[in-house]
Amino acid sequence: AQTVTQSQPEMSVQEAETVTLSCTYDTSESDYYLFWYKQPPSRQMILVIRQEAYKQQNATENRFSVNFQKAAKSFSLKISDSQLGDAAMYFCAYRSARVTGANSKLTFGKGITLSVRP
Amino acid sequence: EAGVVQSPRYKIIEKKQPVAFWCNPISGHNTLYWYRQNLGQGPELLIRYENEEAVDDSQLPKDRFSAERLKGVDSTLKIQPAELGDSAVYLCASSSYRGRVFFGPGTRLTVL
Repeated sequence: AQTVTQSQPEMSVQEAETVTLSCTYDTSESDYYLFWYKQPPSRQMILVIRQEAYKQQNATENRFSVNFQKAAKSFSLKISDSQLGDAAMYFCAYRSARVTGANSKLTFGKGITLSVRP
Repeated sequence: EAGVVQSPRYKIIEKKQPVAFWCNPISGHNTLYWYRQNLGQGPELLIRYENEEAVDDSQLPKDRFSAERLKGVDSTLKIQPAELGDSAVYLCASSSYRGRVFFGPGTRLTVL
């Protein structure tokens, strides 16, 4: 079974600074997807960024980028120029590229609470 | 395009009472998921549907939880009877084949 580990329960960043959120995962598969989701307080979960395991290039979405290290099974999220609206819980998630059976589900880490200081 | 719709948004019940949650996925999405999210934790899958067929319900506590997705569109998740430990946010999500997963706003259940 796949597992996702987020070992930092909380992080804080000064507005306009850069912060990196860590995530590790365990899988025996070679083809999969990794995601970072953002969940503001009492609001719905939204996708921040997605990485396909077979792509060596790290995904980037505006101020959000990832450092994907497949051999180390590490998938960190970097937020540049942090804004007050970035404050939320961030979840790392794994999904097999096989779409049948139990492998199609998203497996989430426990999340990390990010606060942004003005 | 409308997103995943869930109702109610909040529900407070006493233990041993029944409760039901409703979800309408994004039009055209054949895959529907129900997740449970405990406070301060990541979501955990309860059940996944491909059209009207439940293809992964291994984490669904079948003694008190039931779900259905008639006609392969909207879905209902029921708990009967509810226990204190069922207090959580129940998230519905949907996706197309190999597509991105979209989440609804969730139903926050409090069992007293």
